[in-house]
Parts: sequence; C-alpha cells; structure tokens
Amino acid sequence: GAVVSQHPSRVICKSGTSVKIECRSLDFQATTMFWYRQFPKQSLMLMATSNEGSKATYEQGVEKDKFLINHASLTLSTLTVTSAHPEDSSFYICSASNRGLGNQPQHFGDGTRLSIL
Amino acid sequence: AQSVTQLGSHVSVSEGALVLLRCNYSSSVPPYLFWYVQYPNQGLQLLLKYTTGATLVKGINGFEAEFKKSETSFHLTKPSAHMSDAAEYFCAVSEGDGANNLFFGTGTRLTVIP
Repeated sequence: GAVVSQHPSRVICKSGTSVKIECRSLDFQATTMFWYRQFPKQSLMLMATSNEGSKATYEQGVEKDKFLINHASLTLSTLTVTSAHPEDSSFYICSASNRGLGNQPQHFGDGTRLSIL
Repeated sequence: AQSVTQLGSHVSVSEGALVLLRCNYSSSVPPYLFWYVQYPNQGLQLLLKYTTGATLVKGINGFEAEFKKSETSFHLTKPSAHMSDAAEYFCAVSEGDGANNLFFGTGTRLTVIP
C-alpha cells in the first residue's frame, strides 16, 4: 500500500527553537497533504491543508506565522514550528493523498512527537 | 457541517469476545465514513471505509462495519478479539473520498483482556 514517511519521529528542543518536520510520500504523488495535531488521549485536529505549489489553507485558530507549511513538490511537505514554546509540545501527524486519482483515501505518516523544554 | 461521536472512550473485552465500537455521525451531505486504528506513537492505519454501495464493509484484520443511514451509525465490529487488537480506534467522516478533510471522533481505546 501507499507509504508516507514522516521525519523525525521524535524531537526534543529548547524553547525558542524552530523545528522542521518532513512528510514524504514514497510511492505516489501527493497532490494534497494534511497536517494534524494530536494532544494526549485526544483526537486528531486538522491544522492545515496544503496543495502542491499553492499556499496552505489553515483551520480557524491555527497561526499561519507560527506553523509554516511548504508543499513545494508532489512528494514532500514540511511543517516548521517557529520559535517553539512548551505549549507547542504535541504529536504532529501528516497525511497525503492524490486527488487526481479519484476515490483515494489519506495515507498517514507515523507522526512526530515534539517536546519543547 | 460534519461531526462524529464515538460512544465510550474506553472499551474492554476478553480475548475471543465480540468487539463492538460505536460511531454516530452527522453530515449535511451523503457521508464517506472511515475507521482508523492507531498504535502507540504511530500514525493512523486505515481499517475500512464506506463510500457508496454495499452498506456492510469488510476491512483488514477481520474488522467490519455497517453503514446504517436511518440510525446515522457506522459501528465497528469483530467477532473475536485478539490481543493484537488493543489500540486506539478513530471513526471519521468526510464529504468526499477521504482526500477531502476528515473529521475525527475522539477515539475509543480498546483493551483486550487475556
């Protein structure tokens, strides 16, 4: 089946640091990528949707200047958490899909656990 | 607008017993419905999905779910639980085939008792 690779799987860094998370579709072209955030024991909350070559669409309440999303190619999207603070600590999950193929589900990465000290 | 309600944040069953995880949805358009499983510190794996056609959908690992429009439900079942089924299960709804935005329920943690 379709494979989505997310890197790194875990990152621990100091407050004020910017952190970049990569999401790659390994065996298909991802026209659309989604970024989710998951707090402990809670569901996934969609942060933003990005289409290749276009600006990301952010959900209400998500700071676009805080969470920078780039989707420059059909196989790679990145999420950069800028000037991260402890409240940004969370589990971030990406998913990818190819809308051009019609009835295709989202394929999820294994997530990145971000811990800000 | 779409939303999903999963009744029961925790479900415990004995190994070999029936698994039933409940999901009710709300959608202003014909829904596409999904069940995902999440193991600790991992992403989500698609178990099964309903788009159109047959209302009883069979998925991986012996799971199945039935779309009941009159009850706005999409409950997940498995006849006999295995220890390896212990995980978090999420029901989700979207307007399209899943390439559109997914709205997730709050999840149900399944514990399997040996």
